[in-house]
Amino acid sequence: AQSVTQPDIHITVSEGASLELRCNYSYGATPYLFWYVQSPGQGLQLLLKYFSGDTLVQGIKGFEAEFKRSQSSFNLRKPSVHWSDAAEYFCAVRSNFGNEKLTFGTGTRLTIIP
Amino acid sequence: GAGVSQSPRYKVAKRGQDVALRCDPISGHVSLFWYQQALGQGPEFLTYFQNEAQLDKSGLPSDRFFAERPEGSVSTLKIQRTQQEDSAVYLCASSPLGSGGRNYNEQFFGPGTRLTVL
Repeated sequence: AQSVTQPDIHITVSEGASLELRCNYSYGATPYLFWYVQSPGQGLQLLLKYFSGDTLVQGIKGFEAEFKRSQSSFNLRKPSVHWSDAAEYFCAVRSNFGNEKLTFGTGTRLTIIP
Repeated sequence: GAGVSQSPRYKVAKRGQDVALRCDPISGHVSLFWYQQALGQGPEFLTYFQNEAQLDKSGLPSDRFFAERPEGSVSTLKIQRTQQEDSAVYLCASSPLGSGGRNYNEQFFGPGTRLTVL
């Protein structure tokens, strides 16, 4: 069965600092990978997705993620965070064929300090 | 265009009551998903429709949970005899259908319905 681990429950960074959120997955083959962001009272918004090809994926709002097969990781990065980036971030995995359900990690809450 | 909408946004129920949660997917989206998000947790899959066919209901936690999508568009998630452990945010998502068995499309999420069972 597929699973996702987000080891950091809560991360605090200063505005303008760089950010890396960790995500490790468990899946028998190369999965489809996603990062979603959730602001309070809002639904999930897709930041970026990986299906195949280039392992460095660019997303919206200046985010990027790198798929590393050898480490079963798909970490999210941003070179300089803004106060508006404060939110909950979820990594998710999906089978690459057939069943389309998403399996999410438990999320990382990001706090930005001035 | 309009995104996925859900109603009501908030629902308070007394233990033992039945509730019905509605999801309006993006027009033309064939796939529809329900997820349950408990406080402080990530969303967990409940069930999946392709048009009106319920292809996967493996995530429904008990037989008190029932979902339908009779005409292949609007979906309703019904919870009978609600319990306190049913308190959560219920998220609906929709997606266009892929081709050739592989779907490279993302799922678009609604704002969710927050259910509180007292």
